[in-house]
Amino acid sequence: AQSVTQLDSHVSVSEGTPVLLRCNYSSSYSPSLFWYVQHPNKGLQLLLKYTSAATLVKGINGFEAEFKKSETSFHLTKPSAHMSDAAEYFCSIYNQGGKLIFGQGTELSVKP
Amino acid sequence: DAGVTQSPTHLIKTRGQHVTLRCSPISGHKSVSWYQQVLGQGPQFIFQYYEKEERGRGNFPDRFSARQFPNYSSELNVNALLLGDSALYLCASSPRTGSSYEQYFGPGTRLTVT
Repeated sequence: AQSVTQLDSHVSVSEGTPVLLRCNYSSSYSPSLFWYVQHPNKGLQLLLKYTSAATLVKGINGFEAEFKKSETSFHLTKPSAHMSDAAEYFCSIYNQGGKLIFGQGTELSVKP
Repeated sequence: DAGVTQSPTHLIKTRGQHVTLRCSPISGHKSVSWYQQVLGQGPQFIFQYYEKEERGRGNFPDRFSARQFPNYSSELNVNALLLGDSALYLCASSPRTGSSYEQYFGPGTRLTVT
């Protein structure tokens, strides 16, 4: 069965410092993985996706993620946090039948 | 370009009532998926429709139903509302169905059941 686990429910960083949001996956075949961001009272915005091409994936707003098969991980990073990055972040994996399976989310706080 | 649109934005219903939520996909997208997001949790898959046919169904009771129209817009219907149906309902569209196609989400409909 496909699943994702987000290892931190809440991450707090200072503005200008690096961001690391952790996601582990479980999959019986080569997965398609996604990171989405959700600002308060908004829908989800796609940050980036991995679909078995390059293992280092670059997304919007300076975010990137690295697919590591040996560690079954797909962690999201950003070199320097901005106040506008404060939001909820969801890791997801594609399952058959058009289904995205989401993690529980990581709330990112950015301190000035 | 217009993104995924959903209506209404907010809705308040009473237990036992019926509700219809609407979604218009991005122009050219033929697949629509519905998700339920309860406060504090990740979205849960309800349905996917592609070319007006149901292609996937999540673990939701038969009170939940959906359909897709010839213009690829979609409706989600929920009968006999329960308090636990209170959630943000998200619609997502993609060009086709399949793992290579990212899903683009609308702003959601906030349903409150009292």
